[in-house]
Amino acid sequence: DVKVTQSSRYLVKRTGEKVFLECVQDMDHENMFWYRQDPGLGLRLIYFSYDVKMKEKGDIPEGYSVSREKKERFSLILESASTNQTSMYLCASSFWREGPTGELFFGEGSRLTVL
Amino acid sequence: AQKITQTQPGMFVQEKEAVTLDCTYDTSDPSYGLFWYKQPSSGEMIFLIYQGSYDQQNATEGRYSLNFQKARKSANLVISASQLGDSAMYFCAMRGLTGRRALTFGSGTRLQVQP
Repeated sequence: DVKVTQSSRYLVKRTGEKVFLECVQDMDHENMFWYRQDPGLGLRLIYFSYDVKMKEKGDIPEGYSVSREKKERFSLILESASTNQTSMYLCASSFWREGPTGELFFGEGSRLTVL
Repeated sequence: AQKITQTQPGMFVQEKEAVTLDCTYDTSDPSYGLFWYKQPSSGEMIFLIYQGSYDQQNATEGRYSLNFQKARKSANLVISASQLGDSAMYFCAMRGLTGRRALTFGSGTRLQVQP
């Protein structure tokens, strides 16, 4: 089975702290994604990556950055956490395919609270 | 760009009855894929079913079927014979042929199955 592992299920941080959310997948997937989930808004794409050292902005990249130094690992970084970044963060991965097929495989999520 | 609309924030259904969760979409891509995910209270995202825009038949996976009406741009999920374990958030998502490889998600529908 595909396994996507997020380093922390629950985090509590203070405003202004630097926060690292780590994600590792074990299926050699080319694509990796970071989403944010908020009630009533669904999942919104923050950043994604097609390959090592490659990244592209999603719909809500402000206040976030990412790093992909190895194919299996995709990190989300909050340079200076703010209270409006309190949310559930979901990492996902997928194979590259031609066309619109191919589901995303998700980690269990990281619930971040910024005080 | 793609857009997914789920207009039912919450739904109730009696155990053993069928339920339809609504999803409408908008895209300029000539080819696209539609996905449904289930998110139980534990938080993991579970892939349920996929429908390609050029598929001739509606997709089915066990008790899940996708009522795809291309002209109306709708992709409703039908769950037959509801079970208590079906209580969860359900998200509709899509990806186009062109553009980025990420999925665009709707805001979700919370389904509660009552005994």
